[in-house]
Amino acid sequence: EAGVAQSPRYKIIEKRQSVAFWCNPISGHATLYWYQQILGQGPKLLIQFQNNGVVDDSQLPKDRFSAERLKGVDSTLKIQPAKLEDSAVYLCASSFVYLSGDGPNEQFFGPGTRLTVL
Amino acid sequence: LAKTTQPISMDSYEGQEVNITCSHNNIATNDYITWYQQFPSQGPRFIIQGYKTKVTNEVASLFIPADRKSSTLSLPRVSLSDTAVYYCLVGAPYNFNKFYFGSGTKLNVKP
Repeated sequence: EAGVAQSPRYKIIEKRQSVAFWCNPISGHATLYWYQQILGQGPKLLIQFQNNGVVDDSQLPKDRFSAERLKGVDSTLKIQPAKLEDSAVYLCASSFVYLSGDGPNEQFFGPGTRLTVL
Repeated sequence: LAKTTQPISMDSYEGQEVNITCSHNNIATNDYITWYQQFPSQGPRFIIQGYKTKVTNEVASLFIPADRKSSTLSLPRVSLSDTAVYYCLVGAPYNFNKFYFGSGTKLNVKP
């Protein structure tokens, strides 16, 4: 079974530039997550999609970050303009949400995109 | 969502059993406890999930007391390859699978 795919794996940009990350979840997974992980910290949830709809974007800096999941499959996360503090690994995850105890609802993570903002 | 507290780091030796405890005093009735493992330069990987008492799979056991205000991840006979960061999460898997990661416990296994 193919895992969660992300691209690019690495990206270096200057501050104030824009950048976009792409994620392809595991086939059949309705839920998709974007996390930001700063070095030495746990992953921070930026946005969660259920199919096409946003379930939680409370921690997404909406003045510069945007995300979309067209057709309920692939997703892109964009930063415009980037700041130095956006340097982090951006992780995408997906899950198949079982109903009421039919299975453990685990999130499957991609390899991440390491962003460096200079 | 319930906040979790874990030790920042732990040391162990190969072949020992390691127990990592997580505190979650304000866990809600519908919340489950989930543990993830993360190696450097990789995304987290699911280890185990439970609601109460004891859950065991091929890699770990999860012990949850009756009051559910804490939980313990038990790793039997660790090896060097178990050196990683371990995260305890509390949330509702059947409510859109919403969980939040804390800072995790860095486990260092020594030869």
